[in-house]
Amino acid sequence: EPEVTQTPSHQVTQMGQEVILRCVPISNHLYFYWYRQILGQKVEFLVSFYNNEISEKSEIFDDQFSVERPDGSNFTLKIRSTKLEDSAMYFCASRAGNEQYFGPGTRLTVT
Amino acid sequence: DQQVKQNSPSLSVQEGRISILNCDYTNSMFDYFLWYKKYPAEGPTFLISISSIKDKNEDGRFTVFLNKSAKHLSLHIVPSQPGDSAVYFCAASARPDSWGKLQFGAGTQVVVTP
Repeated sequence: EPEVTQTPSHQVTQMGQEVILRCVPISNHLYFYWYRQILGQKVEFLVSFYNNEISEKSEIFDDQFSVERPDGSNFTLKIRSTKLEDSAMYFCASRAGNEQYFGPGTRLTVT
Repeated sequence: DQQVKQNSPSLSVQEGRISILNCDYTNSMFDYFLWYKKYPAEGPTFLISISSIKDKNEDGRFTVFLNKSAKHLSLHIVPSQPGDSAVYFCAASARPDSWGKLQFGAGTQVVVTP
Protein backbone atom coordinates (compact mmCIF):
# COMPACT_ATOMS: atom_id res chain seq x y z
CA GLU A 1 0.00 0.00 0.00
CA PRO A 2 1.41 3.42 -0.93
CA GLU A 3 2.46 5.57 2.00
CA VAL A 4 3.93 8.96 2.80
CA THR A 5 7.54 8.78 3.95
CA GLN A 6 9.57 11.35 5.87
CA THR A 7 13.25 11.79 6.61
CA PRO A 8 14.96 12.10 8.95
CA SER A 9 12.93 10.54 11.75
CA HIS A 10 14.73 12.69 14.30
CA GLN A 11 16.71 15.89 13.77
CA VAL A 12 18.63 17.70 16.47
CA THR A 13 19.85 21.18 15.66
CA GLN A 14 21.17 24.23 17.42
CA MET A 15 19.14 27.40 17.68
CA GLY A 16 19.70 29.64 14.68
CA GLN A 17 20.60 26.81 12.34
CA GLU A 18 18.72 25.95 9.17
CA VAL A 19 16.94 22.62 8.85
CA ILE A 20 15.29 20.90 5.93
CA LEU A 21 12.67 18.26 6.56
CA ARG A 22 11.94 15.94 3.69
CA CYS A 23 8.81 14.15 2.60
CA VAL A 24 7.90 11.84 -0.26
CA PRO A 25 4.12 12.07 -0.75
CA ILE A 26 2.04 9.31 -2.30
CA SER A 27 2.83 9.37 -6.00
CA ASN A 28 -0.53 10.22 -7.57
CA HIS A 29 -1.50 12.80 -4.95
CA LEU A 30 -1.75 16.45 -5.93
CA TYR A 31 -2.18 18.27 -2.62
CA PHE A 32 0.55 18.43 -0.01
CA TYR A 33 0.57 19.65 3.56
CA TRP A 34 2.80 20.23 6.56
CA TYR A 35 1.47 20.06 10.10
CA ARG A 36 3.23 20.12 13.41
CA GLN A 37 2.50 18.93 16.92
CA ILE A 38 4.27 20.50 19.85
CA LEU A 39 4.51 18.08 22.77
CA GLY A 40 1.22 17.99 24.65
CA GLN A 41 -0.61 20.18 22.12
CA LYS A 42 -2.89 19.72 19.14
CA VAL A 43 -1.79 18.90 15.64
CA GLU A 44 -1.60 22.29 13.90
CA PHE A 45 -1.81 23.13 10.21
CA LEU A 46 1.21 24.93 8.78
CA VAL A 47 0.86 25.09 5.00
CA SER A 48 -0.85 23.56 1.99
CA PHE A 49 0.73 23.29 -1.45
CA TYR A 50 -0.87 22.65 -4.81
CA ASN A 51 0.25 23.08 -8.39
CA ASN A 52 3.74 24.13 -7.29
CA GLU A 53 2.62 26.95 -5.09
CA ILE A 54 1.42 27.62 -1.58
CA SER A 55 -2.38 27.59 -1.49
CA GLU A 56 -2.83 28.43 2.17
CA LYS A 57 -0.63 29.03 5.20
CA SER A 58 -1.22 29.56 8.89
CA GLU A 59 0.02 32.35 11.11
CA ILE A 60 2.75 30.01 12.32
CA PHE A 61 4.19 29.79 8.80
CA ASP A 62 6.13 33.04 8.86
CA ASP A 63 9.11 34.17 6.78
CA GLN A 64 11.36 31.66 8.52
CA PHE A 65 9.49 28.80 6.86
CA SER A 66 9.44 27.80 3.23
CA VAL A 67 8.28 24.80 1.22
CA GLU A 68 9.45 23.41 -2.06
CA ARG A 69 8.79 20.56 -4.42
CA PRO A 70 12.22 20.38 -6.01
CA ASP A 71 11.44 17.39 -8.22
CA GLY A 72 8.54 15.09 -9.02
CA SER A 73 8.67 13.20 -5.76
CA ASN A 74 10.05 15.22 -2.85
CA PHE A 75 8.30 17.89 -0.79
CA THR A 76 10.45 19.80 1.68
CA LEU A 77 9.93 22.14 4.61
CA LYS A 78 12.79 24.50 5.40
CA ILE A 79 13.18 26.46 8.60
CA ARG A 80 15.83 29.12 8.04
CA SER A 81 16.80 30.02 11.57
CA THR A 82 15.40 27.63 14.11
CA LYS A 83 14.10 28.74 17.49
CA LEU A 84 13.63 26.71 20.64
CA GLU A 85 9.86 26.88 20.15
CA ASP A 86 10.17 25.14 16.77
CA SER A 87 10.81 21.88 18.64
CA ALA A 88 7.93 19.62 17.63
CA MET A 89 6.87 16.65 15.55
CA TYR A 90 6.46 17.71 11.94
CA PHE A 91 4.06 15.71 9.81
CA CYS A 92 3.78 15.77 6.06
CA ALA A 93 0.49 14.76 4.46
CA SER A 94 -0.82 14.32 0.95
CA ARG A 95 -4.21 13.75 -0.62
CA ALA A 96 -5.83 12.96 -3.94
CA GLY A 97 -9.49 12.75 -2.91
CA ASN A 98 -10.98 13.93 0.36
CA GLU A 99 -8.73 12.15 2.86
CA GLN A 100 -5.26 13.23 3.88
CA TYR A 101 -2.64 10.58 4.51
CA PHE A 102 0.13 11.36 6.95
CA GLY A 103 3.75 10.38 7.13
CA PRO A 104 5.38 9.05 10.30
CA GLY A 105 6.76 12.47 11.22
CA THR A 106 10.11 14.06 11.93
CA ARG A 107 10.91 14.90 15.52
CA LEU A 108 12.76 18.23 15.49
CA THR A 109 14.67 19.12 18.63
CA VAL A 110 16.18 22.60 18.81
CA THR A 111 18.79 23.09 21.53
CA ASP B 1 -8.50 28.37 18.33
CA GLN B 2 -10.98 25.77 19.66
CA GLN B 3 -13.01 25.08 16.55
CA VAL B 4 -12.82 21.32 17.10
CA LYS B 5 -13.15 19.96 20.61
CA GLN B 6 -12.70 16.53 22.07
CA ASN B 7 -13.68 16.96 25.67
CA SER B 8 -12.73 13.51 26.90
CA PRO B 9 -8.96 13.19 27.13
CA SER B 10 -9.18 9.48 27.87
CA LEU B 11 -11.48 6.49 27.61
CA SER B 12 -11.06 3.01 29.06
CA VAL B 13 -13.14 0.19 27.60
CA GLN B 14 -13.23 -3.54 27.99
CA GLU B 15 -12.27 -5.73 25.06
CA GLY B 16 -15.35 -6.70 23.08
CA ARG B 17 -17.41 -3.73 24.24
CA ILE B 18 -18.26 -0.58 22.33
CA SER B 19 -15.99 2.48 22.36
CA ILE B 20 -17.75 5.79 21.78
CA LEU B 21 -15.64 8.85 21.10
CA ASN B 22 -17.17 12.30 20.87
CA CYS B 23 -16.24 15.46 19.04
CA ASP B 24 -17.86 18.90 18.90
CA TYR B 25 -17.20 21.72 16.49
CA THR B 26 -18.10 25.38 16.34
CA ASN B 27 -17.43 26.39 12.73
CA SER B 28 -20.60 25.97 10.67
CA MET B 29 -18.48 26.10 7.49
CA PHE B 30 -16.98 22.70 8.22
CA ASP B 31 -18.35 20.23 5.72
CA TYR B 32 -16.04 17.24 5.94
CA PHE B 33 -15.02 15.34 9.04
CA LEU B 34 -12.39 12.70 9.59
CA TRP B 35 -11.18 10.44 12.36
CA TYR B 36 -7.53 9.51 12.72
CA LYS B 37 -5.83 7.03 15.00
CA LYS B 38 -2.33 7.65 16.27
CA TYR B 39 0.17 5.38 17.96
CA PRO B 40 3.16 6.87 19.81
CA ALA B 41 6.02 7.91 17.51
CA GLU B 42 3.88 7.43 14.40
CA GLY B 43 1.86 9.72 12.19
CA PRO B 44 -1.95 9.91 12.28
CA THR B 45 -3.57 7.04 10.38
CA PHE B 46 -6.81 7.76 8.55
CA LEU B 47 -9.74 5.70 9.86
CA ILE B 48 -13.03 6.95 8.52
CA SER B 49 -14.64 10.13 7.25
CA ILE B 50 -18.04 11.65 6.67
CA SER B 51 -19.38 14.42 4.50
CA SER B 52 -21.85 16.92 5.90
CA ILE B 53 -24.52 15.66 3.49
CA LYS B 54 -24.63 12.37 5.40
CA ASP B 55 -25.42 11.52 8.99
CA LYS B 56 -23.76 8.12 9.17
CA ASN B 57 -20.88 6.29 7.58
CA GLU B 58 -19.82 2.77 8.39
CA ASP B 59 -16.64 0.85 7.65
CA GLY B 60 -16.24 -2.51 9.32
CA ARG B 61 -16.03 -2.04 13.07
CA PHE B 62 -16.01 1.76 12.74
CA THR B 63 -19.08 3.95 12.40
CA VAL B 64 -19.14 7.73 12.41
CA PHE B 65 -22.32 9.65 13.20
CA LEU B 66 -22.81 13.31 12.37
CA ASN B 67 -25.42 15.57 13.98
CA LYS B 68 -25.13 18.86 12.11
CA SER B 69 -27.74 20.70 14.14
CA ALA B 70 -25.82 19.94 17.33
CA LYS B 71 -22.43 20.33 15.61
CA HIS B 72 -21.46 16.99 17.04
CA LEU B 73 -19.95 13.82 15.70
CA SER B 74 -19.07 10.54 17.27
CA LEU B 75 -17.02 7.50 16.42
CA HIS B 76 -18.23 4.07 17.47
CA ILE B 77 -15.85 1.14 17.54
CA VAL B 78 -17.47 -2.23 18.04
CA PRO B 79 -16.23 -4.62 19.18
CA SER B 80 -13.18 -2.94 20.72
CA GLN B 81 -9.92 -4.82 20.40
CA PRO B 82 -6.59 -4.43 22.24
CA GLY B 83 -5.00 -3.10 19.04
CA ASP B 84 -7.45 -0.19 19.14
CA SER B 85 -5.55 1.28 22.10
CA ALA B 86 -4.27 4.57 20.68
CA VAL B 87 -5.03 8.28 20.56
CA TYR B 88 -7.99 9.16 18.34
CA PHE B 89 -8.23 12.56 16.69
CA CYS B 90 -11.27 14.18 15.21
CA ALA B 91 -10.51 16.58 12.34
CA ALA B 92 -12.61 18.87 10.18
CA SER B 93 -12.20 20.88 7.02
CA ALA B 94 -14.18 23.59 5.24
CA ARG B 95 -13.90 22.69 1.59
CA PRO B 96 -13.43 24.06 -0.95
CA ASP B 97 -12.23 27.35 0.45
CA SER B 98 -9.60 25.94 2.74
CA TRP B 99 -7.77 23.68 0.29
CA GLY B 100 -8.40 20.82 2.65
CA LYS B 101 -6.70 22.34 5.70
CA LEU B 102 -7.58 20.16 8.67
CA GLN B 103 -8.44 21.48 12.12
CA PHE B 104 -7.77 18.86 14.77
CA GLY B 105 -9.22 18.17 18.16
CA ALA B 106 -6.96 17.52 21.12
CA GLY B 107 -7.40 13.77 20.91
CA THR B 108 -8.83 11.04 23.12
CA GLN B 109 -6.56 8.33 24.51
CA VAL B 110 -8.36 4.99 24.28
CA VAL B 111 -7.22 2.06 26.37
CA VAL B 112 -8.80 -1.31 25.67
CA THR B 113 -8.46 -3.67 28.60
CA PRO B 114 -8.70 -7.48 28.47
